[in-house]
Amino acid sequence: DAKTTQPPSMDCAEGRAANLPCNHSTISGNEYVYWYRQIHSQGPQYIIHGLKNNETNEMASLIITEDRKSSTLILPHATLRDTAVYYCIVRVGGSARQLTFGSGTQLTVLP
Amino acid sequence: NAGVTQTPKFQVLKTGQSMTLQCAQDMNHNSMYWYRQDPGMGLRLIYYSASEGTTDKGEVPNGYNVSRLNKREFSLRLESAAPSQTSVYFCASSDPTSPNYNEQFFGPGTRLTVL
Repeated sequence: DAKTTQPPSMDCAEGRAANLPCNHSTISGNEYVYWYRQIHSQGPQYIIHGLKNNETNEMASLIITEDRKSSTLILPHATLRDTAVYYCIVRVGGSARQLTFGSGTQLTVLP
Repeated sequence: NAGVTQTPKFQVLKTGQSMTLQCAQDMNHNSMYWYRQDPGMGLRLIYYSASEGTTDKGEVPNGYNVSRLNKREFSLRLESAAPSQTSVYFCASSDPTSPNYNEQFFGPGTRLTVL
């Protein structure tokens, strides 16, 4: 699985968009980009994933650069409940394998 | 649906004691996983079961054994607990055959302290 690099922490004002970057310069053609988050003391929660195209669901949007070497998770209107550690994970799909969690980004949404 | 459930929520053991952490899922998933999370760190895989009847080692299997009892249940056993096994243990499940590849569903965790 390709290695990912994320900033250790970010702040965001409540109601504003939170943009969380992730670098994955060694990503292979068959590897997906996944985002999970972990709210304090809880189990991780899946947010979104993508291969090449930008993706959007009810929780967030995922923007992947054309060369696929980096991506950005966007929470369009951050709330206090979005305060969590966000993990960017790159791996192939379709098989039972571990998710490799790095250190992630601690996002703090400020009132 | 309850999703993924884990018991117990908290446990304190003395060094050398044994215990089994229980995990069950009601989503008919084929694959199940056990992770541990030490303070300030990401999750690390201990063991996983790709399907009923199979188990494989993950990144940190030493000191642990697992049993995939049936499709629903996947237990983690510590035969002789050590202080280094103090951690939060998460169970997860997934259906690799689903269109949403590798979305893993996590339980609430078991907080284990070994004195």
